[in-house]
Amino acid sequence: AQSVAQPEDQVNVAEGNPLTVKCTYSVSGNPYLFWYVQYPNRGLQFLLKYITGDNLVKGSYGFEAEFNKSQTSFHLKKPSALVSDSALYFCAVRANQAGTALIFGKGTTLSVSS
Amino acid sequence: GAGVSQSPSNKVTEKGKDVELRCDPISGHTALYWYRQRLGQGLEFLIYFQGNSAPDKSGLPSDRFSAERTGESVSTLTIQRTQQEDSAVYLCASRQGGSNEKLFFGSGTQLSVL
Repeated sequence: AQSVAQPEDQVNVAEGNPLTVKCTYSVSGNPYLFWYVQYPNRGLQFLLKYITGDNLVKGSYGFEAEFNKSQTSFHLKKPSALVSDSALYFCAVRANQAGTALIFGKGTTLSVSS
Repeated sequence: GAGVSQSPSNKVTEKGKDVELRCDPISGHTALYWYRQRLGQGLEFLIYFQGNSAPDKSGLPSDRFSAERTGESVSTLTIQRTQQEDSAVYLCASRQGGSNEKLFFGSGTQLSVL
């Protein structure tokens, strides 16, 4: 069975500081990994994905994530946080097999203070 | 339309009543997902349709929940004999299929069971 763990309910950072939102996964075979963001009163939006290739993937709004196969992790990072980055972030995984569903983690609330 | 459309946007019902939620995916999208998001919680996978394959119903929480999809278009999620714990936002998402892994989400249906 596929699963995603986001160990932190909330991450607090000051504006201008680097941020990391953690994600680990469990899946049979090779994973497809994603990050989605949910801003207040807005729908879920795609941020970035890892399918294959370079372990460091870059996405929208200056975010990036690093796939680490040995640690089964896909942490989301940004070098310099903005107050406008404050939102709910979801990590998601599905197996690299046809017909498998996309499973989301429980989400991590990022709060960036000015 | 240009995006995933869900209706109604809000539904208030009495305990024990049946409800039907509708999702119109983006035209041409072969994959369709239903998720549930309880207040302050993460995304809970419910069901996944992919083309003409049998749907993955592994996330449906009880036999009161069912979903149908007509070809590669409209999907309906039906909840029979609603309970208060069914109160949540029900989100629909679609993706193009094939190598395109990006999910597009609707705005959701806020279901309140009194």
